[in-house]
Parts: sequence; structure tokens; C-alpha cells
Amino acid sequence: SQQGEEDPQALSIQEGENATMNCSYKTSINNLQWYRQNSGRGLVHLILIRSNEREKHSGRLRVTLDTSKKSSSLLITASRAADTASYFCATVYNTNAGKSTFGDGTTLTVKP
Amino acid sequence: DAGVTQSPTHLIKTRGQQVTLRCSPKSGHDTVSWYQQALGQGPQFIFQYYEEEERQRGNFPDRFSGHQFPNYSSELNVNALLLGDSALYLCASSWDSGENIQYFGAGTRLSVL
Repeated sequence: SQQGEEDPQALSIQEGENATMNCSYKTSINNLQWYRQNSGRGLVHLILIRSNEREKHSGRLRVTLDTSKKSSSLLITASRAADTASYFCATVYNTNAGKSTFGDGTTLTVKP
Repeated sequence: DAGVTQSPTHLIKTRGQQVTLRCSPKSGHDTVSWYQQALGQGPQFIFQYYEEEERQRGNFPDRFSGHQFPNYSSELNVNALLLGDSALYLCASSWDSGENIQYFGAGTRLSVL
């Protein structure tokens, strides 16, 4: 089974609203990353948070990490129609031999 | 600066055939990982190549094999294709001394009939 699991599976909001998606994982990690994928395309890296960090910001993105609960959340503020995509969390537990383990993603639809 | 490039874009094969997918990593990257993404699911790790060696492998059968060349480009080979091998195959490159931030190509869509 996948290391990371996102919820909800699907999220539909109006433009201008905030979108929050969550990721849970099972084992200790080195870092956790969020990626975005437009339909049928490659994934694009959004943001990385290390295991010793609790919160990071990048533009309209805010990521939190709670290692005690083995969970992370991604908040997209003031969403736009162009944010419509699938969002995946990826956990990395060994950066020296590392695979990234992805969940099944949250599909976000932002209605104009 | 070219990003990760994959070829071909689309491929149609029949059961039992063999296929080779190709990937050129982002300039400056020395590590290549391959993922299989079925429709509606997240990418599943197949294997990773570094210094022309398979460094780590996911839960995929030996029908899946790969190679990395001295210029860091890579190939993914799949033998004895099954219908279930139909998927988007993604190549990602990274820098070994980095934090495993993956840069993905646009993928190869493989259909097995």
C-alpha cells in the first residue's frame, strides 16, 4: 500500500475560496513534499517540508507537518480556476537512496 | 535549460510484446527514477538508477528492467506485456546530493491491447 494517503479524494470549491487537503503517512520520514499534476501530465514539485519543520509558506501555499500524528496538510489560499489539478503528497525517508512514495492524490476543482 | 524529456509520448502494443521507453534527465541531475501511474492513482515507484546501477526497486516483477547510460539518460524496458501494464510511465530526475526533489517528464502513455 502507498505510504502517503491524501484526503479528501476530491474537492470542489469556488474561485477565491481556500482549499485544504491532508496527507497521512505510516513511517518516519526525512521530508515530505507536495506535487501538482494537471490531467495526464507530469508532476510538478510545489513545496518541501523537512521532518524538523512544522510549517512552510510559498506564495499562496501553506504546508504544515505534524510528525507525532504522521500527517501533513496543504492549504491553497484564494484559489483560482488555474489551480484545478490533482495534488499528491510524497514521503521521503532516505534522501541518499531515495524513492519518493506517493499517495493517490486529491483532485481539486476550482469553479470560476 | 531543457527539463526532463521522455519518448515516445504515446505507444500502443499488444500482449506479449516488449517495449522500451526513454528518458533524458534535467541538466545537472545524476539520478533517474521511473514510476508507473494507473488511471486515478498516484505514481508507483518502479526503480531508481544512480551511477549506472539500479539503486532501489519497488514491488515490480523482473519483466521490468532498466538501464542508465554514462550521460545519465535512462531506459525502461518491459517484457511480455500484460493488459495491466497499460498506464502512464513517468520518468523523474533528481540530484543525488539533494533532498530527493523530483523533476518529472510529461510521461509516456502505454496502451496494451
